Amino acid sequence: GENVEQHPSTLSVQEGDSAVIKCTYSDSASNYFPWYKQELGKRPQLIIDIRSNVGEKKDQRIAVTLNKTAKHFSLHITETQPEDSAVYFCAASIPPGAGSYQLTFGKGTKLSVIP
Amino acid sequence: DSGVTQTPKHLITATGQRVTLRCSPRSGDLSVYWYQQSLDQGLQFLIQYYNGEERAKGNILERFSAQQFPDLHSELNLSSLELGDSALYFCASSPRTALNTEAFFGQGTRLTVV
Repeated sequence: GENVEQHPSTLSVQEGDSAVIKCTYSDSASNYFPWYKQELGKRPQLIIDIRSNVGEKKDQRIAVTLNKTAKHFSLHITETQPEDSAVYFCAASIPPGAGSYQLTFGKGTKLSVIP
Repeated sequence: DSGVTQTPKHLITATGQRVTLRCSPRSGDLSVYWYQQSLDQGLQFLIQYYNGEERAKGNILERFSAQQFPDLHSELNLSSLELGDSALYFCASSPRTALNTEAFFGQGTRLTVV
């Protein structure tokens, strides 16, 4: 099955700096890569996603890049703010018909933005 | 509010007991997924149902079972509970068979086994 590795497990940045979280996946059939943000004690919420036919996607201060050849994708947060502090999860999903349907998550990155 | 409702929000029970967690997906969503999140751990996929049928199984223990009813709500049954089963259990729903579209998570049920 799919295996998703996420690094780093913890990340501290100064407010205003950029943060980068990286993930690799194992199954080349994966075609959908969402990123979720989970604040303490709350549910994970989608912040951005990318499909395998796109190399980069941006939404204000958040961007995601995908390298299908290397099977890795990254989350970039610019001009970080204290409210960006949370745990971020990457995930990968293979398409229907390939035998497996679950979303496989990375272990998460705890991001702390220091004011 | 994601539209996914989980009950109860908190549950405290003793070892050896059995509990049932309930999930109501978003209106129109046919797929329901259950995930377990232990303290400081990631999201572990347990099981997926689509329109009443089991579609995928992850690392779900034999002491755990689930089902999806005709009205599409789902229940996760945990039996012979152990201390290590203490975790946050999330339900998520999506409109398609495969989770290659956004999954909406409920607020979770925090289970504490004492």
